[in-house]
Amino acid sequence: KAGVTQTPRYLIKTRGQQVTLSCSPISGHRSVSWYQQTPGQGLQFLFEYFSETQRNKGNFPGRFSGRQFSNSRSEMNVSTLELGDSALYLCASSSNRGGTGELFFGEGSRLTVL
Amino acid sequence: GQNIDQPTEMTATEGAIVQINCTYQTSGFNGLFWYQQHAGEAPTFLSYNVLDGLEEKGRFSSFLSRSKGYSYLLLKELQMKDSASYLCAVRDVNRGSTLGRLYFGRGTQLTVWP
Repeated sequence: KAGVTQTPRYLIKTRGQQVTLSCSPISGHRSVSWYQQTPGQGLQFLFEYFSETQRNKGNFPGRFSGRQFSNSRSEMNVSTLELGDSALYLCASSSNRGGTGELFFGEGSRLTVL
Repeated sequence: GQNIDQPTEMTATEGAIVQINCTYQTSGFNGLFWYQQHAGEAPTFLSYNVLDGLEEKGRFSSFLSRSKGYSYLLLKELQMKDSASYLCAVRDVNRGSTLGRLYFGRGTQLTVWP
């Protein structure tokens, strides 16, 4: 079964621009979470979606937003990019059908803001 | 708030045993995860503990003491390919917690020397 797929893998933007990142979860997984990973802060939770609804949100400014579609695919958007937004953005999916509920991560989208 | 602490770096030699510690302070507790992340790759799930005690899975074992807010990951018969970052993460149980929201430590970078 295919894993979590994120696109694009790498991108370079300039300050003030906006960016949209895409995530396709593992087939059958309806929960999708987004994390920002930086060397200084580690993995920080951005938000989580389930059945097209945002269920949880981390402590990030409103410039960070997301959505989930009926097929569970998710996108996140960052507007008015700042230099500090340079990071690896990781998407993770999980199954709500019992078990440990571990997160399955994609390889991430590495964003560089110049 | 939530606080997850683990050492920044560790080194060991091939064939040896290494123990990576993690201490946590969270307002609630609903499971502790260990993930492995090789440079430039996605974090991959290693282990999950929700009850006190030791969980063994091949060369890897993970221990949890909820009363002490403490866990460790034990890696035996180290191989060069075990060189990676090891991430400790906790799932909270209180209001605002959901399946996809984990609180991560900043990771322990393990280097295995020949």
